[in-house]
Amino acid sequence: DAKTTQPTSMDCAEGRAANLPCNHSTISGNEYVYWYRQIHSQGPQYIIHGLKNNETNEMASLIITEDRKSSTLILPHATLRDTAVYYCIVRVGGRGSTLGRLYFGRGTQLTVWP
Amino acid sequence: GAVVSQHPSWVICKSGTSVKIECRSLDFQATTMFWYRQFPKQSLMLMATSNEGSKATYEQGVEKDKFLINHASLTLSTLTVTSAHPEDSSFYICSAPTVRSNQPQHFGDGTRLSIL
Repeated sequence: DAKTTQPTSMDCAEGRAANLPCNHSTISGNEYVYWYRQIHSQGPQYIIHGLKNNETNEMASLIITEDRKSSTLILPHATLRDTAVYYCIVRVGGRGSTLGRLYFGRGTQLTVWP
Repeated sequence: GAVVSQHPSWVICKSGTSVKIECRSLDFQATTMFWYRQFPKQSLMLMATSNEGSKATYEQGVEKDKFLINHASLTLSTLTVTSAHPEDSSFYICSAPTVRSNQPQHFGDGTRLSIL
């Protein structure tokens, strides 16, 4: 079962930063936070993941609070192509891990407008 | 990079027929693959875990006789929807984990199944 809570929808102007929050108050010490997104009628696309340190890659930044009970995905300069459903998932295992299933919650529909 | 391919991408069938969906890991071996189902405007629901060389593990509430899974090789898993009915119409997605990247699972592009 999904262990995360996300807002149902968010809007963002093109070129602005999109900040997507996620609550995971029951996260365990060995569980990572993963973010995926799904563009309409496609398979989910991996974005980023982290354990407790903030992470950044070419797609986004992930900010995890010190108590690890919540996190924020940041798309620094949103484009129209970033319109998608964004899923925050917690699961055991980090880099290259093949452990465990992924359970998707309802996610956040991000709409980027011109 | 690691790629997962699904086939077909779209299928329309008459009620009562069985439909087979293939999921292949193109450049890596996957002893485990996962099958999801997604209804319109809903999230992905994990259906089952496909295990090479052994029986699939089904999530609670998923009928194993309805959704037959065969993990024929280290690069191929198939999902067969038996005696499909209109309520089985959905978007089916597979995924496979690999240690070759930092992503926990790589997803296929999904199969849109429509039962008339």
